[in-house]
Amino acid sequence: QVQLVESGGGVVQPGGSLRLSCAVSGLTFSNYGMHWVRQAPGKGLEWAAFIRHDESKKYYADSVRGRFTISRDNSKNTLYLQMDSLRPEDTAVYYCAKDRDRIRFEYWGQGTLVTVSS
Amino acid sequence: NFMLTQPHSVSESPGKTVTISCTRSSGSIASNYVQWYQQRPGSSPTSVIYEDSQRPSGVPDRFSGSIDNSSNSASLTISGLKTEDEAEYYCQSYDSSKVWVFGGGTKLTVL
Repeated sequence: QVQLVESGGGVVQPGGSLRLSCAVSGLTFSNYGMHWVRQAPGKGLEWAAFIRHDESKKYYADSVRGRFTISRDNSKNTLYLQMDSLRPEDTAVYYCAKDRDRIRFEYWGQGTLVTVSS
Repeated sequence: NFMLTQPHSVSESPGKTVTISCTRSSGSIASNYVQWYQQRPGSSPTSVIYEDSQRPSGVPDRFSGSIDNSSNSASLTISGLKTEDEAEYYCQSYDSSKVWVFGGGTKLTVL
């Protein structure tokens, strides 16, 4: 079955950096676009970034553009999110999700918590 | 970009029917498909409706979705409510500028 497993979360100081990973199995990873979606504690879901299957296009929410970079390694079936210049408001659970038809989120990982605090 | 507005909370008794609305702020609700996700506490979201009214495999037919052009909104209806339906529900759509949008979420209480 399809599995998405995030890792790399933790506590980081404001202004710091962190790289999240999402290991994908159970599907042909290189065929599908992928997203990062985040959820601040007690808050709703917020889409953060999307990458096409071949990395030819990347899209970002205004809140993270210029600070976050989405990438992937199709040889390792892994999605990444490089987060720089982190702010306290970036504190959230970060989910990776498989795209379906650039319309919706078909499968979700279990999430990894990022806490930005001094 | 547009916004999707949902009620903060709804509640209903077991066995009854509840409807959760999702209103689009600008542009037609019919111009882009609407999806609905269920999120139980401590768990990841899962899809219950996609493309306005389609149910993923494994989702019971007690869950249905629709759109209403007159109110520019989408709705998720759950009939025969069960205590296990108690969760947060999010609507979601997208726009041509490649932005994926979520509603603020509705907490469903089954009491």
